[in-house]
Amino acid sequence: DAKTTQPTSMDCAEGRAANLPCNHSTISGNEYVYWYRQIHSQGPQYIIHGLKNNETNEMASLIITEDRKSSTLILPHATLRDTAVYYCIVRSLYNTDKLIFGTGTRLQVFP
Amino acid sequence: NAGVTQTPKFQVLKTGQSMTLQCAQDMNHEYMSWYRQDPGMGLRLIHYSVGAGITDQGEVPNGYNVSRSTTEDFPLRLLSAAPSQTSVYFCASSYLDRALNGYTFGSGTRLTVV
Repeated sequence: DAKTTQPTSMDCAEGRAANLPCNHSTISGNEYVYWYRQIHSQGPQYIIHGLKNNETNEMASLIITEDRKSSTLILPHATLRDTAVYYCIVRSLYNTDKLIFGTGTRLQVFP
Repeated sequence: NAGVTQTPKFQVLKTGQSMTLQCAQDMNHEYMSWYRQDPGMGLRLIHYSVGAGITDQGEVPNGYNVSRSTTEDFPLRLLSAAPSQTSVYFCASSYLDRALNGYTFGSGTRLTVV
């Protein structure tokens, strides 16, 4: 599975868009990009995933570059409840079904 | 539809004791897995299963056993607890089809080994 690189921490003002970057330069053509978040002490929560097209759901948007080497998770109007650790994960299609978490980005939304 | 249910929520063990952490899901997911999370750290995969009767090791399998006799249940056994196993344990499940939505996690079991 491809490894991902994320900034350790980010801040965002409440009501503004939060843009969380992720580098996955070794991603292969059949690997999906997944985003999860973990609010303090809770189990991780699935946010969104994509293969090569941009995706949007009720929680967030996912922008994947054309070469698929990086992506950005966008929370369009961040709230205090969005303060969490955000994990970008690349998931292999073949053989095993492991989901390997890195250390993620700690997003702090402030008033 | 309860999702992923983990029991117990909290547990204190003495070194050398054994116990089983329970995980059950009612979504007919083929895939189930166990993670541990130490303070300030990311999640690390312990064991996983892609279906009943099939299990495999993750990143940190030593000291833990699993079995998958039914689709719904995936218990994690600590054979002889050690202080290094003090952690928060999360169970997760999903469909095997990658195009479907991602993993559903349980609320965790907080284990302390003294």
